[in-house]
Amino acid sequence: EAQVTQNPRYLITVTGKKLTVTCSQNMNHEYMSWYRQDPGLGLRQIYYSMNVEVTDKGDVPEGYKVSRKEKRNFPLILESPSPNQTSLYFCASSLGSASRRETQYFGPGTRLLVL
Amino acid sequence: GQNIDQPTEMTATEGAIVQINCTYQTSGFNGLFWYQQHAGEAPTFLSYNVLDGLEEKGRFSSFLSRSKGYSYLLLKELQMKDSASYLCAVGLGDSSYKLIFGSGTRLLVRP
Repeated sequence: EAQVTQNPRYLITVTGKKLTVTCSQNMNHEYMSWYRQDPGLGLRQIYYSMNVEVTDKGDVPEGYKVSRKEKRNFPLILESPSPNQTSLYFCASSLGSASRRETQYFGPGTRLLVL
Repeated sequence: GQNIDQPTEMTATEGAIVQINCTYQTSGFNGLFWYQQHAGEAPTFLSYNVLDGLEEKGRFSSFLSRSKGYSYLLLKELQMKDSASYLCAVGLGDSSYKLIFGSGTRLLVRP
């Protein structure tokens, strides 16, 4: 089954404790992206990757890191989480860039609470 | 700066037609997307417009006017399951790798 998976789905952590949210897709997609969703603010893009070893900043990259060592995986790293990073996080992937009308598939989301 | 505006909430009746508007002011434009998101779930792709005009897909249609910075999503023959949030997003840059989303319109369909 074609899918984007994220782990963990729910996470409660404390300020400053490094964490990684994994994202994996089994569709051989080139393009992957991370978003956060907050009430009243909608989805905001954090980072995106056009292919292996190629990443770039989205709208709200501060406090986050990403890597793309393999095509299928695109982990999101919070080196020193802070309470303002409490949010719902979505990973997404598509075959090519969104402008090529490729449907972007979203993972199920990771709900993060930073105390 | 980038700005995308949508109404926060709308209510409509089952079987009716509803139009959800989206206006945008962005530096660059490479396509406009509509996504549907049910509460507690991930967004799912509905439509994509890059040229002016209407794109129809079953009960859903999406319209774009680039000169006016305006789009709408038209939902016909509303069903209860259409109760969801509808997200408008603009692709930026040459390849639209960057996406800017509006804050979404929550649609409630009443019997």
